[in-house]
Amino acid sequence: RKEVEQDPGPFNVPEGATVAFNCTYSNSASQSFFWYRQDCRKEPKLLMSVYSSGNEDGRFTAQLNRASQYISLLIRDSKLSDSATYLCVVIGYSGGGADGLTFGKGTHLIIQP
Amino acid sequence: DTAVSQTPKYLVTQMGNDKSIKCEQNLGHDTMYWYKQDSKKFLKIMFSYNNKELIINETVPNRFSPKSPDKAHLNLHINSLELGDSAVYFCASSPGRTYTFGSGTRLTVV
Repeated sequence: RKEVEQDPGPFNVPEGATVAFNCTYSNSASQSFFWYRQDCRKEPKLLMSVYSSGNEDGRFTAQLNRASQYISLLIRDSKLSDSATYLCVVIGYSGGGADGLTFGKGTHLIIQP
Repeated sequence: DTAVSQTPKYLVTQMGNDKSIKCEQNLGHDTMYWYKQDSKKFLKIMFSYNNKELIINETVPNRFSPKSPDKAHLNLHINSLELGDSAVYFCASSPGRTYTFGSGTRLTVV
């Protein structure tokens, strides 16, 4: 079983619609969770952290369900500029220190005018 | 000022050659990483260095060797390049939970 799994898409969504992505992770000891965004031929950039209580940043809402080991991202009122690949990311910790980021394969989102 | 800079941005080379990719960060972060993004766009960690100590070494071929002359630099040296090494290599640095990535080096082995 892969450590972090996402539906690769692509998700084709009309501008203004609401879209949601889910992601599951296998390591129950994972400590921190994030959504990153990667534009074509660019580096990944942090979109938002994900907290157990759920958190919102403008049109973006992220939620974590530790019991079911899944993470979600909701984008409301989608814009053309939201077109990108969205990467689900977890961090686990071992005795020697941080394990670094473990990435899902990403979900490709295309917002259509 | 670029926080994490990698050079070169593009690298085209023949099979069997040895090449290096350089990475520098001016953020004062303790840990630096190398990630590989293959043709299927999957990002996978290769190495990390914390205060000049290798603390993660994933199952990558020993043709790949990270070299860190100081805390601000983590270079990636690749011996005997193979076609399958073609990918985008990203350097990153982190003080803990947040990560900053370089813009990537697109390596093409022909």
